[in-house]
Amino acid sequence: NAGVTQTPKFRVLKTGQSMTLLCAQDMNHEYMYWYRQDPGMGLRLIHYSVGEGTTAKGEVPDGYNVSRLKKQNFLLGLESAAPSQTSVYFCASRPLSGPSYEQYFGPGTRLTVT
Amino acid sequence: EDKVVQSPLSLVVHEGDTVTLNCSYEVTNFRSLLWYKQEKKAPTFLFMLTSSGIEKKSGRLSSILDKKELFSILNITATQTGDSAIYLCAVNSGNTPLVFGKGTRLSVIA
Repeated sequence: NAGVTQTPKFRVLKTGQSMTLLCAQDMNHEYMYWYRQDPGMGLRLIHYSVGEGTTAKGEVPDGYNVSRLKKQNFLLGLESAAPSQTSVYFCASRPLSGPSYEQYFGPGTRLTVT
Repeated sequence: EDKVVQSPLSLVVHEGDTVTLNCSYEVTNFRSLLWYKQEKKAPTFLFMLTSSGIEKKSGRLSSILDKKELFSILNITATQTGDSAIYLCAVNSGNTPLVFGKGTRLSVIA
């Protein structure tokens, strides 16, 4: 099991450019999440998905879009990057039910927007 | 609105000290409270607590939950430099996303 993987690991964008971050999990988890982490702010939820074909907004969704066309993949898109989107992005997944509600995190993507 | 508050936000201790990290919460439909350790990369799972008064222990780390007073503590005894990390507390209220606190940054100096 690879667990949760994220692509790419690092990226530098210019203001106004677009990009897509890919999250993949091989644990057959229903729930998937995208967070951003900034110094002193903890983890802030951007968007999440409770199943294939469904998405919902989190705490800080503006400037981002997501899609969950396949259960194992959750894509995060930035249509027009801004310096305020410089951050570390984490994807996570967890199962719908079971003895543990443990949430598994990907390794993160460090994005810099200049 | 669901809320998780951790304190202190940062802490510097010397090796060998004992530390206590705090997490208080206000959520509807509480299911469990989780502790994570984050070093340079992704958070890694430490404990999940569901019942009051039952201590979870792993080596020098232990945690306990008080569902009446709505808080949890994470204790680390005989701290080592390898314990330096951000410690995150999160609360699970069922089918909604976990609610995370801002974390406590622990620095252990030799």
